[in-house]
Amino acid sequence: NAGVMQNPRHLVRRRGQEARLRCSPMKGHSHVYWYRQLPEEGLKFMVYLQKENIIDESGMPKERFSAEFPKEGPSILRIQQVVRGDSAAYFCASSIQRTGQGTYEQYFGPGTRLTVT
Amino acid sequence: KQEVTQIPAALSVPEGENLVLNCSFTDSAIYNLQWFRQDPGKGLTSLLLIQSSQREQTSGRLNASLDKSSGRSTLYIAASQPGDSATYLCAGLTDSWGKLQFGAGTQVVVTP
Repeated sequence: NAGVMQNPRHLVRRRGQEARLRCSPMKGHSHVYWYRQLPEEGLKFMVYLQKENIIDESGMPKERFSAEFPKEGPSILRIQQVVRGDSAAYFCASSIQRTGQGTYEQYFGPGTRLTVT
Repeated sequence: KQEVTQIPAALSVPEGENLVLNCSFTDSAIYNLQWFRQDPGKGLTSLLLIQSSQREQTSGRLNASLDKSSGRSTLYIAASQPGDSATYLCAGLTDSWGKLQFGAGTQVVVTP
């Protein structure tokens, strides 16, 4: 069973371009979480999605950021008109059940490192 | 709002010594607490998960304890090895949706 997959692993964008980050959860997992790790900072929650639904986006910046998890295909985190402050590592995690029940772990992907020049 | 703190921020020990990493949290209403390892430029590897009803979990040389009343968790790594050099993160699960609240991490260096 392959783990959580993210691509690309490294992404370089110029200011003003769009960045698209993809996350394929583990097989059988229908819950996806996105986190951001800014340089010299800890991981911060961004958004929680189930198939075709955004459940909690309380950690998402209000502008330029959006996320989706379609019925088919990977979850996508989209950043429009990137700025230097968006440079960070973006991690996604998946779980088989809603982990709020306490029993089920979140499994993390290797991350996408976004650099904005 | 849950705040997770890890002390110390960095730690260097000679090989063979036991490691003690501390994690404290402000809200005792957590569902579980996870310890992760992160190597430079890499993703997170889950080490141990302690459910709120448990006091500790063990895996090999690793042992993690959880004291909800005092808001603390401790990760013990016995007989440290250079391969244990990494950043160790703790994260508390504090809402029913599964949002993990992470500490800033403890960077560990084990010298041969």
